[in-house]
Amino acid sequence: QVKLLQSGAALVKPGASVKMSCKASGYTFTDYWVSWVKQSHGKSLEWIGEIYPNSGATNFNEKFKGKATLTVDKSTSTAYMELSRLTSEDSAIYYCTRWELPGYRYWGQGVMVTVSS
Amino acid sequence: DIVMTQAPLSVSVTPGESASISCRSSKSLLHSNGITYVYWYLQKPGKSPQLLIYRMSNLASGVPDRFSGSGSETDFTLKISRVEAEDVGIYYCGQLLENPYTFGAGTKLELK
Repeated sequence: QVKLLQSGAALVKPGASVKMSCKASGYTFTDYWVSWVKQSHGKSLEWIGEIYPNSGATNFNEKFKGKATLTVDKSTSTAYMELSRLTSEDSAIYYCTRWELPGYRYWGQGVMVTVSS
Repeated sequence: DIVMTQAPLSVSVTPGESASISCRSSKSLLHSNGITYVYWYLQKPGKSPQLLIYRMSNLASGVPDRFSGSGSETDFTLKISRVEAEDVGIYYCGQLLENPYTFGAGTKLELK
């Protein structure tokens, strides 16, 4: 069955970067776009961007350009998102999710990122 | 960006009764291909979102048929008939018509 297993919670200092992972299993990794979604505490969902593992092509929410970098490792079926120059506004839960028809049906369990000195 | 506005922000429902959640988009979500790109998700407490309805009125696989979606180009409704305890959580509408994909603020469903 399809699974997206995300890395563990991270506590990072302001100004630093964090890189999180999303390991896919149960399907052909290169066939589906992987999106990343942010959920700030007690708030709604924000679409960050997406990556197509087969080619590395990406699309971003303009708001997150320069903040988020999306990459993949096809050999391990893993997608990564790196967030740079972290501030308290970046403290949130980050989800990876797989795009397919009909929609975002499969989600990772989420990664909690806390930015604090 | 397309703004998705949900109402109400919270709803309290007696088990067995029905509930409706509204969502309005700031722009038509009807594509020229005839598909309306509005989606509904449920986020249960402490869990990741799960897809309920896709393309306005299509039930996602495994979702009980107590859930249904309807609407027009900019006004959408999620209806839950015969609410059960497992339906508790936050419901989000979202649009996948154009970048950036956006979501509503969420509607919290609680049981009376």
